[in-house]
Amino acid sequence: QVQLQESGPGLVKPSQTLSLTCTVSGDSISSGSSYWSWIRQPAGKGLEWIGRIYTNGNTNYNPSLKSRVTISVDTSKNQFSLKLSSVTAADTAVYYCARDPGYTNGIDYWGQGTLVTVSS
Amino acid sequence: DIQMTQSPSSLSASVGDRVTITCRASQSISSYLNWYQQKPGKAPELLIYAASTLQSGVPSRFSGSGSGTAFTLTISSLQPEDFATYYCQQTYSTLTFGQGTRLEIK
Repeated sequence: QVQLQESGPGLVKPSQTLSLTCTVSGDSISSGSSYWSWIRQPAGKGLEWIGRIYTNGNTNYNPSLKSRVTISVDTSKNQFSLKLSSVTAADTAVYYCARDPGYTNGIDYWGQGTLVTVSS
Repeated sequence: DIQMTQSPSSLSASVGDRVTITCRASQSISSYLNWYQQKPGKAPELLIYAASTLQSGVPSRFSGSGSGTAFTLTISSLQPEDFATYYCQQTYSTLTFGQGTRLEIK
């Protein structure tokens, strides 16, 4: 059974960098069979795809966030990470990590989500 | 960017009803369309991928259809556990979600 678990600070100050890590179990990030994605959801609002990374380090980002987002992978730890710079209150959301097999497949495994609040 | 528009934004229905949710893409996305169900406080769950393929373990009362720019999700006979928010998502280019359809009990 594939499981994903987000971890990182729940509170970030405005203008600072939000950093989250996703630990994957039950699948190997280095297997090359999937993308590994970040999605967020502000309270009471819809889902926003942030970006994804492939085993080889290739990334795709949401154009609206691209200038502030970096997604990286650590295959030795079976983890991937999100960094979002220059955060504001508008970045307050539940952040999900997820497995995305790509092409016409949907995002089939999600973490439980972690709330990140941007506030001084 | 490809924009995804769902309708309606909210819907009230009763147990046993047949309901249909529509998702339209701003340009053709072939069959690169997925549907998710999300319950309060939980992560979304994949229902249908490639427009019409049922994800393993999803009840057969859920079905999807469409290609190009117009897609539908149909629940043939609503069950109490189906009251949730539903999202479409395109994977033809950089991924985008629809705004969601909240399905409420009448």
